Amino acid sequence: GQQVMQIPQYQHVQEGEDFTTYCNSSTTLSNIQWYKQRPGGHPVFLIQLVKSGEVKKQKRLTFQFGEAKKNSSLHITATQTTDVGTYFCAGLDNTNAGKSTFGDGTTLTVKP
Amino acid sequence: NAGVTQTPKFQVLKTGQSMTLQCAQDMNHEYMSWYRQDPGMGLRLIHYSVGAGITDQGEVPNGYNVSRSTTEDFPLRLLSAAPSQTSVYFCASIPAGTAPYEQYFGPGTRLTVT
Repeated sequence: GQQVMQIPQYQHVQEGEDFTTYCNSSTTLSNIQWYKQRPGGHPVFLIQLVKSGEVKKQKRLTFQFGEAKKNSSLHITATQTTDVGTYFCAGLDNTNAGKSTFGDGTTLTVKP
Repeated sequence: NAGVTQTPKFQVLKTGQSMTLQCAQDMNHEYMSWYRQDPGMGLRLIHYSVGAGITDQGEVPNGYNVSRSTTEDFPLRLLSAAPSQTSVYFCASIPAGTAPYEQYFGPGTRLTVT
């Protein structure tokens, strides 16, 4: 079945530094979603990427979808303490929106 | 709208006991899913449903049953609890038909099996 891997598992940064997490799939993805989960909370949707080579920005967050649609990345510029949490990517089954495969996530801690 | 609600928030079971985790959504979403999240890991899909009366297995379905008699409710039943089922369980709903297929998650149920 589809496997989605994320690296790194943990990332510790000083406030103001940049952060990047990478997501790689064993198969070509129809689309990919990114979620953020604060400690003790539930995942919250950030964005969905659909097109090959797509790049989307949300303020300090930049999301990319690889040309082959097998990898994706999330980059945060100048991290803030509010960015703390675990970031997950999820590959969606295009034939069934209810079925998705999540990566194991990257947990970001930010030192003030 | 209350969104996606889950009950209970916490539960402790003894090995062999059965119970039902409740999930309800008031957004008229077609799709609903159940995930489990173990420490340091991502979410693994247990069962999902594309509409009332239709369910299917996900990645880790063993030991769990689901039913979808209404659009709003999607309960998850643990048949005979085992310590390996200690986890946080999340229910999610997804509006069908219009991208992005954003998953709306409930607050989770933290289950411990002793």
